[in-house]
Amino acid sequence: DAKTTQPPSMDCAEGRAANLPCNHSTISGNEYVYWYRQIHSQGPQYIIHGLKNNETNEMASLIITEDRKSSTLILPHATLRDTAVYYCIVTLGRGSGNTGKLIFGQGTTLQVKP
Amino acid sequence: NAGVTQTPKFRVLKTGQSMTLLCAQDMNHEYMYWYRQDPGMGLRLIHYSVGEGTTAKGEVPDGYNVSRLKKQNFLLGLESAAPSQTSVYFCASSFLAGGGNEQFFGPGTRLTVL
Repeated sequence: DAKTTQPPSMDCAEGRAANLPCNHSTISGNEYVYWYRQIHSQGPQYIIHGLKNNETNEMASLIITEDRKSSTLILPHATLRDTAVYYCIVTLGRGSGNTGKLIFGQGTTLQVKP
Repeated sequence: NAGVTQTPKFRVLKTGQSMTLLCAQDMNHEYMYWYRQDPGMGLRLIHYSVGEGTTAKGEVPDGYNVSRLKKQNFLLGLESAAPSQTSVYFCASSFLAGGGNEQFFGPGTRLTVL
Protein backbone atom coordinates (compact mmCIF):
# COMPACT_ATOMS: atom_id res chain seq x y z
CA ASP A 1 0.00 0.00 0.00
CA ALA A 2 1.23 3.46 -0.84
CA LYS A 3 2.44 5.69 1.97
CA THR A 4 0.72 9.00 2.70
CA THR A 5 2.07 12.24 4.16
CA GLN A 6 -0.12 14.73 6.02
CA PRO A 7 0.65 17.85 8.06
CA PRO A 8 0.45 17.05 11.78
CA SER A 9 -1.96 19.85 12.62
CA MET A 10 -4.11 22.60 11.15
CA ASP A 11 -6.45 25.28 12.44
CA CYS A 12 -9.64 26.51 10.82
CA ALA A 13 -12.13 29.21 11.76
CA GLU A 14 -15.68 28.05 12.38
CA GLY A 15 -17.84 28.51 9.29
CA ARG A 16 -14.90 28.62 6.93
CA ALA A 17 -13.78 25.86 4.60
CA ALA A 18 -11.18 23.44 5.95
CA ASN A 19 -8.76 22.15 3.32
CA LEU A 20 -6.72 19.16 4.44
CA PRO A 21 -3.89 18.09 2.11
CA CYS A 22 -2.44 14.63 1.61
CA ASN A 23 0.53 13.51 -0.46
CA HIS A 24 0.59 9.99 -1.87
CA SER A 25 3.25 10.18 -4.56
CA THR A 26 3.75 6.39 -4.79
CA ILE A 27 0.08 5.57 -5.35
CA SER A 28 -0.53 2.89 -7.95
CA GLY A 29 -3.27 2.79 -10.56
CA ASN A 30 -5.62 0.51 -8.65
CA GLU A 31 -5.32 2.20 -5.28
CA TYR A 32 -8.07 4.34 -3.82
CA VAL A 33 -7.74 7.37 -1.55
CA TYR A 34 -9.85 7.12 1.59
CA TRP A 35 -10.45 9.67 4.32
CA TYR A 36 -11.50 8.79 7.85
CA ARG A 37 -11.70 10.94 10.94
CA GLN A 38 -11.52 10.19 14.64
CA ILE A 39 -13.28 12.47 17.07
CA HIS A 40 -11.91 12.49 20.59
CA SER A 41 -10.82 8.83 20.81
CA GLN A 42 -14.07 7.47 19.38
CA GLY A 43 -13.90 4.84 16.65
CA PRO A 44 -12.81 6.22 13.28
CA GLN A 45 -15.58 7.38 10.97
CA TYR A 46 -15.55 7.04 7.20
CA ILE A 47 -15.80 10.34 5.33
CA ILE A 48 -15.23 9.83 1.62
CA HIS A 49 -13.12 7.98 -0.93
CA GLY A 50 -12.09 8.31 -4.57
CA LEU A 51 -10.04 6.76 -7.32
CA LYS A 52 -9.47 9.37 -10.01
CA ASN A 53 -12.38 11.78 -10.14
CA ASN A 54 -13.33 14.38 -7.62
CA GLU A 55 -16.02 13.22 -5.23
CA THR A 56 -18.59 14.95 -3.05
CA ASN A 57 -21.00 13.70 -0.43
CA GLU A 58 -22.98 15.23 2.39
CA MET A 59 -19.92 15.46 4.61
CA ALA A 60 -17.09 16.62 2.36
CA SER A 61 -15.48 16.94 -1.03
CA LEU A 62 -12.38 15.11 -2.23
CA ILE A 63 -10.17 16.68 -4.85
CA ILE A 64 -7.58 14.36 -6.43
CA THR A 65 -4.89 15.84 -8.67
CA GLU A 66 -4.69 14.63 -12.24
CA ASP A 67 -1.46 12.73 -11.59
CA ARG A 68 -3.08 11.26 -8.44
CA LYS A 69 -0.02 12.06 -6.35
CA SER A 70 -1.92 14.24 -3.93
CA SER A 71 -5.43 15.01 -2.76
CA THR A 72 -7.32 17.51 -0.64
CA LEU A 73 -10.24 16.89 1.66
CA ILE A 74 -12.56 19.87 1.88
CA LEU A 75 -15.02 20.46 4.69
CA PRO A 76 -17.03 23.33 3.19
CA HIS A 77 -18.32 24.94 6.37
CA ALA A 78 -16.36 23.66 9.35
CA THR A 79 -18.08 23.51 12.73
CA LEU A 80 -16.67 22.93 16.19
CA ARG A 81 -17.87 19.32 15.92
CA ASP A 82 -15.45 18.79 13.02
CA THR A 83 -12.49 19.07 15.41
CA ALA A 84 -10.84 15.67 14.99
CA VAL A 85 -7.88 13.74 13.67
CA TYR A 86 -8.22 13.22 9.92
CA TYR A 87 -6.56 10.23 8.29
CA CYS A 88 -5.74 9.95 4.60
CA ILE A 89 -5.31 6.29 3.62
CA VAL A 90 -4.43 4.68 0.33
CA THR A 91 -5.63 1.14 -0.20
CA LEU A 92 -6.29 -1.32 -2.97
CA GLY A 93 -9.57 -1.68 -4.77
CA ARG A 94 -11.52 -4.90 -5.06
CA GLY A 95 -9.56 -7.83 -6.36
CA SER A 96 -7.95 -11.09 -5.48
CA GLY A 97 -5.75 -10.93 -2.45
CA ASN A 98 -7.04 -7.61 -1.21
CA THR A 99 -8.02 -7.90 2.42
CA GLY A 100 -9.31 -4.36 2.82
CA LYS A 101 -7.01 -3.65 5.72
CA LEU A 102 -6.28 0.00 6.38
CA ILE A 103 -2.83 1.39 7.22
CA PHE A 104 -3.27 4.42 9.46
CA GLY A 105 -0.60 7.09 9.76
CA GLN A 106 -0.70 9.77 12.42
CA GLY A 107 -3.14 11.95 10.49
CA THR A 108 -3.83 15.66 10.73
CA THR A 109 -5.30 17.11 13.88
CA LEU A 110 -7.81 19.73 12.77
CA GLN A 111 -8.78 22.29 15.37
CA VAL A 112 -11.85 24.33 14.47
CA LYS A 113 -11.89 27.57 16.42
CA PRO A 114 -14.85 29.85 17.21
CA ASN B 1 -29.19 -1.45 13.47
CA ALA B 2 -26.71 -1.33 16.31
CA GLY B 3 -23.79 -1.37 13.86
CA VAL B 4 -20.56 -2.55 15.45
CA THR B 5 -20.57 -3.11 19.19
CA GLN B 6 -17.68 -4.00 21.48
CA THR B 7 -17.70 -5.65 24.89
CA PRO B 8 -16.42 -4.63 27.40
CA LYS B 9 -15.90 -0.87 27.15
CA PHE B 10 -13.21 -0.78 29.84
CA ARG B 11 -11.06 -3.39 31.53
CA VAL B 12 -8.13 -3.49 33.91
CA LEU B 13 -5.99 -6.63 33.99
CA LYS B 14 -2.99 -7.74 35.95
CA THR B 15 0.06 -9.01 34.09
CA GLY B 16 -0.42 -12.64 33.13
CA GLN B 17 -4.22 -12.61 33.24
CA SER B 18 -6.25 -13.56 30.20
CA MET B 19 -9.34 -12.04 28.65
CA THR B 20 -11.48 -12.02 25.53
CA LEU B 21 -12.79 -8.96 23.75
CA LEU B 22 -16.00 -9.42 21.81
CA CYS B 23 -16.92 -7.61 18.61
CA ALA B 24 -20.38 -8.01 17.13
CA GLN B 25 -21.88 -6.57 13.95
CA ASP B 26 -25.43 -6.77 12.65
CA MET B 27 -24.80 -5.62 9.08
CA ASN B 28 -24.06 -9.06 7.63
CA HIS B 29 -20.52 -7.97 6.78
CA GLU B 30 -18.00 -10.50 5.52
CA TYR B 31 -14.84 -8.74 6.63
CA MET B 32 -13.92 -7.96 10.22
CA TYR B 33 -10.80 -6.38 11.73
CA TRP B 34 -9.14 -5.80 15.08
CA TYR B 35 -6.94 -2.72 15.52
CA ARG B 36 -5.10 -1.28 18.47
CA GLN B 37 -4.34 2.37 19.08
CA ASP B 38 -1.63 3.56 21.44
CA PRO B 39 -1.61 7.15 22.75
CA GLY B 40 -0.86 9.71 20.04
CA MET B 41 -0.63 7.05 17.35
CA GLY B 42 -2.69 5.84 14.46
CA LEU B 43 -4.46 2.49 14.49
CA ARG B 44 -2.50 -0.69 13.80
CA LEU B 45 -4.04 -3.88 12.49
CA ILE B 46 -3.76 -6.91 14.80
CA HIS B 47 -5.78 -9.62 13.03
CA TYR B 48 -8.51 -9.74 10.47
CA SER B 49 -11.06 -12.14 9.00
CA VAL B 50 -12.36 -12.38 5.45
CA GLY B 51 -15.26 -14.64 6.38
CA GLU B 52 -16.72 -17.02 8.92
CA GLY B 53 -14.16 -19.58 10.04
CA THR B 54 -11.17 -17.68 8.62
CA THR B 55 -8.60 -15.47 10.32
CA ALA B 56 -5.27 -13.93 9.34
CA LYS B 57 -2.46 -11.94 10.92
CA GLY B 58 -2.11 -8.21 10.56
CA GLU B 59 0.78 -5.88 11.40
CA VAL B 60 1.05 -6.59 15.15
CA PRO B 61 -0.37 -10.07 15.88
CA ASP B 62 2.03 -11.25 18.60
CA GLY B 63 0.37 -11.93 21.94
CA TYR B 64 -3.14 -12.10 20.49
CA ASN B 65 -5.39 -14.80 19.10
CA VAL B 66 -8.70 -14.47 17.29
CA SER B 67 -11.68 -16.57 16.30
CA ARG B 68 -14.59 -16.08 13.93
CA LEU B 69 -16.96 -18.95 14.62
CA LYS B 70 -20.02 -16.95 13.64
CA LYS B 71 -20.19 -14.40 10.84
CA GLN B 72 -21.43 -11.66 13.13
CA ASN B 73 -18.83 -12.10 15.88
CA PHE B 74 -15.07 -11.63 15.96
CA LEU B 75 -13.28 -12.43 19.23
CA LEU B 76 -9.86 -11.13 20.26
CA GLY B 77 -8.06 -13.05 23.00
CA LEU B 78 -5.13 -12.17 25.19
CA GLU B 79 -3.77 -15.37 26.74
CA SER B 80 -1.23 -13.76 29.07
CA ALA B 81 -1.61 -9.99 29.24
CA ALA B 82 1.47 -7.76 29.32
CA PRO B 83 1.75 -4.03 30.14
CA SER B 84 2.73 -3.44 26.48
CA GLN B 85 -0.81 -4.47 25.54
CA THR B 86 -2.28 -1.47 27.35
CA SER B 87 -4.13 0.23 24.52
CA VAL B 88 -7.49 1.06 23.02
CA TYR B 89 -8.81 -1.75 20.86
CA PHE B 90 -11.12 -1.06 17.94
CA CYS B 91 -13.07 -3.53 15.91
CA ALA B 92 -14.29 -2.80 12.40
CA SER B 93 -16.29 -4.53 9.70
CA SER B 94 -16.96 -4.09 6.01
CA PHE B 95 -19.09 -5.77 3.37
CA LEU B 96 -16.28 -6.34 0.92
CA ALA B 97 -12.61 -5.50 0.85
CA GLY B 98 -11.28 -2.64 -1.17
CA GLY B 99 -12.55 0.28 -3.13
CA GLY B 100 -16.08 1.38 -2.47
CA ASN B 101 -16.38 -0.39 0.84
CA GLU B 102 -16.07 1.67 3.96
CA GLN B 103 -15.15 0.13 7.26
CA PHE B 104 -17.50 0.66 10.17
CA PHE B 105 -15.80 0.96 13.54
CA GLY B 106 -16.96 0.14 17.01
CA PRO B 107 -16.59 2.50 19.99
CA GLY B 108 -13.47 0.82 21.34
CA THR B 109 -12.37 -1.12 24.42
CA ARG B 110 -9.94 0.63 26.74
CA LEU B 111 -7.61 -1.94 28.27
CA THR B 112 -5.07 -1.30 30.99
CA VAL B 113 -2.59 -3.99 32.00
CA LEU B 114 -0.88 -3.39 35.33
